[in-house]
Amino acid sequence: KNEVEQSPQNLTAQEGEFITINCSYSVGISALHWLQQHPGGGIVSLFMLSSGKKKHGRLIATINIQEKHSSLHITASHPRDSAVYICAVQGNQFYFGTGTSLTVIP
Amino acid sequence: GAVVSQHPSWVICKSGTSVKIECRSLDFQATTMFWYRQFPKQSLMLMATSNEGSKATYEQGVEKDKFLINHASLTLSTLTVTSAHPEDSSFYICSARSGAGYGYTFGSGTRLTVV
Repeated sequence: KNEVEQSPQNLTAQEGEFITINCSYSVGISALHWLQQHPGGGIVSLFMLSSGKKKHGRLIATINIQEKHSSLHITASHPRDSAVYICAVQGNQFYFGTGTSLTVIP
Repeated sequence: GAVVSQHPSWVICKSGTSVKIECRSLDFQATTMFWYRQFPKQSLMLMATSNEGSKATYEQGVEKDKFLINHASLTLSTLTVTSAHPEDSSFYICSARSGAGYGYTFGSGTRLTVV
Protein backbone atom coordinates (compact mmCIF):
# COMPACT_ATOMS: atom_id res chain seq x y z
CA LYS A 1 0.00 0.00 0.00
CA ASN A 2 1.31 3.46 -0.86
CA GLU A 3 1.76 5.90 1.96
CA VAL A 4 0.25 8.63 -0.23
CA GLU A 5 -2.77 8.09 -2.42
CA GLN A 6 -4.00 10.64 -4.93
CA SER A 7 -7.22 10.82 -6.86
CA PRO A 8 -8.08 11.05 -9.60
CA GLN A 9 -5.10 9.75 -11.55
CA ASN A 10 -6.21 11.56 -14.68
CA LEU A 11 -8.52 14.50 -15.05
CA THR A 12 -9.79 16.36 -18.10
CA ALA A 13 -11.69 19.60 -17.64
CA GLN A 14 -13.12 22.36 -19.76
CA GLU A 15 -11.57 25.77 -19.40
CA GLY A 16 -13.21 27.65 -16.56
CA GLU A 17 -14.19 24.61 -14.53
CA PHE A 18 -13.50 24.25 -10.83
CA ILE A 19 -11.06 21.39 -10.21
CA THR A 20 -10.36 19.35 -7.10
CA ILE A 21 -7.52 16.91 -6.59
CA ASN A 22 -7.46 14.80 -3.46
CA CYS A 23 -4.63 13.36 -1.42
CA SER A 24 -4.83 10.90 1.46
CA TYR A 25 -1.88 9.71 3.49
CA SER A 26 -1.29 7.09 6.12
CA VAL A 27 1.84 8.25 7.95
CA GLY A 28 2.46 10.90 10.56
CA ILE A 29 3.65 14.07 8.93
CA SER A 30 5.09 17.45 9.77
CA ALA A 31 4.06 19.01 6.46
CA LEU A 32 2.32 18.26 3.19
CA HIS A 33 3.43 19.65 -0.16
CA TRP A 34 1.62 20.17 -3.42
CA LEU A 35 3.89 20.19 -6.45
CA GLN A 36 3.27 20.94 -10.11
CA GLN A 37 5.28 19.12 -12.77
CA HIS A 38 5.17 20.38 -16.33
CA PRO A 39 5.63 18.15 -19.41
CA GLY A 40 9.33 19.00 -19.63
CA GLY A 41 9.78 17.62 -16.14
CA GLY A 42 10.45 20.79 -14.17
CA ILE A 43 8.78 20.92 -10.78
CA VAL A 44 7.32 23.92 -9.00
CA SER A 45 6.44 23.84 -5.34
CA LEU A 46 2.91 25.22 -5.00
CA PHE A 47 2.17 24.89 -1.31
CA MET A 48 3.59 23.62 1.93
CA LEU A 49 0.89 23.01 4.53
CA SER A 50 0.88 21.86 8.11
CA SER A 51 -2.68 22.91 8.95
CA GLY A 52 -5.70 24.75 7.64
CA LYS A 53 -5.84 26.37 4.27
CA LYS A 54 -3.63 28.37 1.94
CA LYS A 55 -4.52 30.37 -1.16
CA HIS A 56 -2.31 31.58 -3.97
CA GLY A 57 -4.07 33.18 -6.89
CA ARG A 58 -6.53 30.64 -8.32
CA LEU A 59 -5.06 27.81 -6.28
CA ILE A 60 -6.32 26.77 -2.87
CA ALA A 61 -4.92 23.98 -0.72
CA THR A 62 -6.52 22.58 2.40
CA ILE A 63 -5.45 19.97 4.86
CA ASN A 64 -7.30 18.03 7.56
CA ILE A 65 -4.72 16.56 9.90
CA GLN A 66 -7.20 14.42 11.81
CA GLU A 67 -8.52 12.82 8.64
CA LYS A 68 -5.08 12.72 6.98
CA HIS A 69 -6.45 14.30 3.87
CA SER A 70 -5.63 17.26 1.69
CA SER A 71 -7.24 18.81 -1.35
CA LEU A 72 -5.92 21.08 -4.06
CA HIS A 73 -8.50 23.25 -5.77
CA ILE A 74 -8.09 25.23 -8.97
CA THR A 75 -10.72 27.86 -9.68
CA ALA A 76 -11.46 29.09 -13.20
CA SER A 77 -9.13 26.52 -14.74
CA HIS A 78 -7.07 27.46 -17.76
CA PRO A 79 -5.18 25.38 -20.35
CA ARG A 80 -1.90 26.56 -18.85
CA ASP A 81 -2.88 24.70 -15.67
CA SER A 82 -2.38 21.45 -17.58
CA ALA A 83 0.32 19.57 -15.72
CA VAL A 84 0.86 16.72 -13.29
CA TYR A 85 0.06 17.65 -9.70
CA ILE A 86 1.90 15.72 -7.04
CA CYS A 87 1.11 15.44 -3.36
CA ALA A 88 4.10 14.81 -1.11
CA VAL A 89 4.17 14.34 2.65
CA GLN A 90 7.07 15.06 4.92
CA GLY A 91 7.38 12.66 7.80
CA ASN A 92 10.50 10.74 8.76
CA GLN A 93 11.15 10.89 5.04
CA PHE A 94 9.41 12.23 1.98
CA TYR A 95 6.63 10.16 0.46
CA PHE A 96 5.21 11.09 -2.94
CA GLY A 97 1.89 10.36 -4.55
CA THR A 98 1.88 9.10 -8.11
CA GLY A 99 0.44 12.36 -9.35
CA THR A 100 -2.73 13.56 -11.03
CA SER A 101 -2.44 14.38 -14.70
CA LEU A 102 -4.65 17.37 -15.45
CA THR A 103 -5.61 18.46 -18.95
CA VAL A 104 -7.64 21.63 -19.36
CA ILE A 105 -9.29 21.94 -22.75
CA PRO A 106 -9.93 25.38 -24.23
CA GLY B 1 11.90 34.20 -5.06
CA ALA B 2 14.21 31.33 -4.26
CA VAL B 3 15.78 29.71 -7.31
CA VAL B 4 17.56 26.40 -7.66
CA SER B 5 19.57 25.93 -10.83
CA GLN B 6 20.21 22.40 -12.02
CA HIS B 7 22.67 21.56 -14.77
CA PRO B 8 22.72 19.95 -17.26
CA SER B 9 19.09 19.73 -18.36
CA TRP B 10 19.77 16.59 -20.31
CA VAL B 11 22.75 14.37 -20.94
CA ILE B 12 23.48 11.31 -23.01
CA CYS B 13 26.44 9.19 -21.99
CA LYS B 14 27.95 5.85 -22.83
CA SER B 15 27.72 2.86 -20.53
CA GLY B 16 30.57 2.75 -18.08
CA THR B 17 31.18 6.48 -17.98
CA SER B 18 30.37 8.86 -15.12
CA VAL B 19 28.06 11.83 -15.21
CA LYS B 20 27.98 14.75 -12.80
CA ILE B 21 24.82 16.74 -12.15
CA GLU B 22 24.98 20.08 -10.34
CA CYS B 23 22.35 21.66 -8.15
CA ARG B 24 22.96 25.25 -7.15
CA SER B 25 20.92 27.57 -4.95
CA LEU B 26 21.19 30.99 -6.55
CA ASP B 27 19.92 33.44 -3.98
CA PHE B 28 19.88 31.55 -0.71
CA GLN B 29 22.03 29.22 1.29
CA ALA B 30 20.96 25.61 1.46
CA THR B 31 22.53 23.53 4.21
CA THR B 32 20.41 20.61 3.04
CA MET B 33 19.56 19.57 -0.48
CA PHE B 34 17.65 16.53 -1.69
CA TRP B 35 18.14 14.34 -4.72
CA TYR B 36 15.26 12.48 -6.37
CA ARG B 37 14.84 10.10 -9.26
CA GLN B 38 11.77 9.66 -11.39
CA PHE B 39 11.21 6.81 -13.82
CA PRO B 40 8.72 7.27 -16.66
CA LYS B 41 5.14 7.43 -15.49
CA GLN B 42 6.20 6.94 -11.89
CA SER B 43 6.38 9.25 -8.95
CA LEU B 44 9.43 10.91 -7.53
CA MET B 45 11.61 8.83 -5.29
CA LEU B 46 13.91 10.37 -2.74
CA MET B 47 17.43 9.06 -3.27
CA ALA B 48 19.44 10.92 -0.69
CA THR B 49 19.70 13.93 1.54
CA SER B 50 22.78 16.03 0.96
CA ASN B 51 24.18 17.88 3.97
CA GLU B 52 26.71 20.66 3.60
CA GLY B 53 30.04 19.67 5.05
CA SER B 54 29.08 16.12 5.94
CA LYS B 55 28.21 12.82 4.35
CA ALA B 56 24.95 12.39 2.51
CA THR B 57 22.20 10.24 3.91
CA TYR B 58 21.01 7.65 1.42
CA GLU B 59 17.59 6.06 1.28
CA GLN B 60 17.28 2.31 1.50
CA GLY B 61 18.17 0.58 -1.74
CA VAL B 62 20.22 3.46 -3.16
CA GLU B 63 23.85 2.54 -3.76
CA LYS B 64 26.05 5.19 -2.19
CA ASP B 65 29.09 4.09 -4.18
CA LYS B 66 27.21 4.46 -7.42
CA PHE B 67 25.51 7.74 -6.70
CA LEU B 68 28.16 9.99 -5.20
CA ILE B 69 26.92 13.14 -3.54
CA ASN B 70 29.09 16.07 -2.62
CA HIS B 71 27.82 19.17 -0.84
CA ALA B 72 30.97 21.19 -0.43
CA SER B 73 29.39 24.62 -0.08
CA LEU B 74 26.16 26.18 1.09
CA THR B 75 25.04 26.76 -2.48
CA LEU B 76 26.18 23.68 -4.38
CA SER B 77 25.45 19.99 -4.26
CA THR B 78 26.54 17.54 -6.93
CA LEU B 79 25.34 14.06 -7.81
CA THR B 80 27.72 11.87 -9.77
CA VAL B 81 26.38 8.74 -11.38
CA THR B 82 29.41 6.48 -11.62
CA SER B 83 29.87 3.67 -14.13
CA ALA B 84 26.49 4.44 -15.61
CA HIS B 85 24.33 1.69 -17.06
CA PRO B 86 21.22 1.92 -19.23
CA GLU B 87 19.04 1.16 -16.20
CA ASP B 88 20.31 4.39 -14.63
CA SER B 89 18.52 6.29 -17.38
CA SER B 90 16.01 8.43 -15.54
CA PHE B 91 14.98 11.94 -14.62
CA TYR B 92 17.00 13.28 -11.72
CA ILE B 93 15.90 16.33 -9.79
CA CYS B 94 17.13 18.19 -6.76
CA SER B 95 15.44 20.40 -4.22
CA ALA B 96 16.42 22.64 -1.36
CA ARG B 97 14.56 24.13 1.53
CA SER B 98 14.46 27.82 0.86
CA GLY B 99 13.92 29.09 4.39
CA ALA B 100 11.60 28.21 7.22
CA GLY B 101 8.01 28.12 6.07
CA TYR B 102 8.87 28.88 2.47
CA GLY B 103 8.69 25.31 1.31
CA TYR B 104 10.99 23.59 -1.02
CA THR B 105 12.38 24.88 -4.28
CA PHE B 106 13.07 22.36 -7.01
CA GLY B 107 15.62 22.38 -9.76
CA SER B 108 14.43 21.93 -13.33
CA GLY B 109 15.71 18.37 -13.49
CA THR B 110 18.21 16.42 -15.56
CA ARG B 111 17.18 13.76 -18.03
CA LEU B 112 19.94 11.16 -18.17
CA THR B 113 20.08 8.66 -21.00
CA VAL B 114 22.74 5.99 -20.87
CA VAL B 115 23.41 4.24 -24.17
